[in-house]
Amino acid sequence: GQQLNQSPQSMFIQEGEDVSMNCTSSSIFNTWLWYKQEPGEGPVLLIALYKAGELTSNGRLTAQFGITRKDSFLNISASIPSDVGIYFCAGQLGGGSQGNLIFGKGTKLSVKP
Amino acid sequence: NAGVMQNPRHLVRRRGQEARLRCSPMKGHSHVYWYRQLPEEGLKFMVYLQKENIIDESGMPKERFSAEFPKEGPSILRIQQVVRGDSAAYFCASSPGVHTEAFFGQGTRLTVV
Repeated sequence: GQQLNQSPQSMFIQEGEDVSMNCTSSSIFNTWLWYKQEPGEGPVLLIALYKAGELTSNGRLTAQFGITRKDSFLNISASIPSDVGIYFCAGQLGGGSQGNLIFGKGTKLSVKP
Repeated sequence: NAGVMQNPRHLVRRRGQEARLRCSPMKGHSHVYWYRQLPEEGLKFMVYLQKENIIDESGMPKERFSAEFPKEGPSILRIQQVVRGDSAAYFCASSPGVHTEAFFGQGTRLTVV
């Protein structure tokens, strides 16, 4: 089946540093979504990408949809302690009734104050 | 506009009992998705429903698991004769259309003892 390879698995950074994580796949996706999940909570949507090459920002977060539609990256600038959590990429295949999302395994971010 | 509401937040069942998980989508959303998450893992798609119809149940075990989204009322994920391996967090998401971003509820954490 389709798989999303998300890296890195975990990151330990100092407050103020920039962060970059990415997802790759052998499949072409219609839509890429980035979510953040905190312990005991559901994933919260951060950024949605719909067009190949699209670059979208949400505050200190920036995400891009790769030209080949097979990859995406998420950058967080000037990290702060509340950025701690697990970040998931999710891809949605196009066509037919395939509305479900395929998730990466997550990048666990720890921020040292 | 309330978000996706799931209840209960925590559910404890003995082996062999039935578990019923409820999900009320966001107002105006007619597409519902159920996902399962094991500790330290990403979310795995189970089933996708629109009002009164199951669109894709390819991720749901064929036995003991069922889902519905009636014309009135919440979507229900039902697990019969639960086993210890069913212990997980179950998340529901909703969206207004097929290829649009999905918003998640806070999840139901099922523990089978």
